[in-house]
Amino acid sequence: EAGVAQSPRYKIIEKRQSVAFWCNPISGHATLYWYQQILGQGPKLLIQFQNNGVVDDSQLPKDRFSAERLKGVDSTLKIQPAKLEDSAVYLCASSLVRGGEWVYGYTFGSGTRLTVV
Amino acid sequence: QKEVEQDPGPLSVPEGAIVSLNCTYSNSAFQYFMWYRQYSRKGPELLMYTYSSGNKEDGRFTAQVDKSSKYISLFIRDSQPSDSATYLCAMNSGGYQKVTFGTGTKLQVIP
Repeated sequence: EAGVAQSPRYKIIEKRQSVAFWCNPISGHATLYWYQQILGQGPKLLIQFQNNGVVDDSQLPKDRFSAERLKGVDSTLKIQPAKLEDSAVYLCASSLVRGGEWVYGYTFGSGTRLTVV
Repeated sequence: QKEVEQDPGPLSVPEGAIVSLNCTYSNSAFQYFMWYRQYSRKGPELLMYTYSSGNKEDGRFTAQVDKSSKYISLFIRDSQPSDSATYLCAMNSGGYQKVTFGTGTKLQVIP
């Protein structure tokens, strides 16, 4: 099966600019996640979607970050305006629900490496 | 105190050695435990997951969970240079609950 697709792979922007990342999950995966991974740290969940509804966005800085998942498939994460501390890898992951049970283990994309200067 | 603690390393071992990677956690509600491998500039890749306490083996990899001690381990037998990567532990309390990751341990296997 095709993996989780993310674009762009790299992005360099100046602080206060805006940026958007795109994710296409594995076909049929109802749950989609956006994670932020700062260098030397483990991934931190930003937002979790179930189909096109938000399950958890408690750690999303909503004053500058927004995310949507139209039609329960592709998703976009936006940062506006960006700050220096937003420099990180933004990972998208998806997972499968089968028979009402979560089939454990995310499949991650390769991520978008964002540098804010 | 972080919910999940993991020694960042780096850990350097000779090829063929047995590697032991560990995490401790504080949340007694955690039931599902996972290990991910992350190569440089790549997304994390799921290696193993286990439910509750006990051992699980898959080839050269063994995952061990001790819920009474809130301690999990990943053992790699006959380590290979291709095992050189960062290993992340991850866990959650089940269902659609948030998965919490450790900071990762960087492993280098020297030929």
